[in-house]
Amino acid sequence: EDQVTQSPEALRLQEGESSSLNCSYTVSGLRGLFWYRQDPGKGPEFLFTLYSAGEEKEKERLKATLTKKESFLHITAPKPEDSATYLCAVSSGANSKLTFGKGITLSVRP
Amino acid sequence: DADVTQTPRNRITKTGKRIMLECSQTKGHDRMYWYRQDPGLGLRLIYYSFDVKDINKGEISDGYSVSRQAQAKFSLSLESAIPNQTALYFCATSDTGQTDTQYFGPGTRLTVL
Repeated sequence: EDQVTQSPEALRLQEGESSSLNCSYTVSGLRGLFWYRQDPGKGPEFLFTLYSAGEEKEKERLKATLTKKESFLHITAPKPEDSATYLCAVSSGANSKLTFGKGITLSVRP
Repeated sequence: DADVTQTPRNRITKTGKRIMLECSQTKGHDRMYWYRQDPGLGLRLIYYSFDVKDINKGEISDGYSVSRQAQAKFSLSLESAIPNQTALYFCATSDTGQTDTQYFGPGTRLTVL
């Protein structure tokens, strides 16, 4: 059974204070690792898909990296509008279903 | 216009009532999913469909049923709603292929009194 653990549960940063969010996973045959952003009361918004260890993807202040056991979402010089819950998910095997972590709630103070 | 739409966006109902949540998509994807989200529990898969003739149970299907009326439409029904089905419900779609990336609708907030 696939497992995804995200840490910390919540993170409070000052504007401009860079940090990283962690996603640890256990799967049998990773097909993909996914990062989503979710604002309160809204649907998850797709950010990145990573497929193999060593892969990196960037979008504005966000950079996602992948190893064989975990993924990091690095946030460089965050702004208050980056405040949201960040979800990590994995797919494995032949059925392409996603298994989600519980999310990390990021709060960026001005 | 949004690629994945859900109706209604909010619904308050009473215990024992039948409720249908609807999802439509214009992305042309074959695969559709229903999730519920509860505080502290994350997103959990209720049902999924890889094409019109393929329906599968997810991890928490008890008390729910689904109908795939067309490639673009996937409905979730609660035959007899109970209070612990109060949650945020999301529909998602993905394309057949190697990416597995799912795209989510805006959600339905359901309250069962």
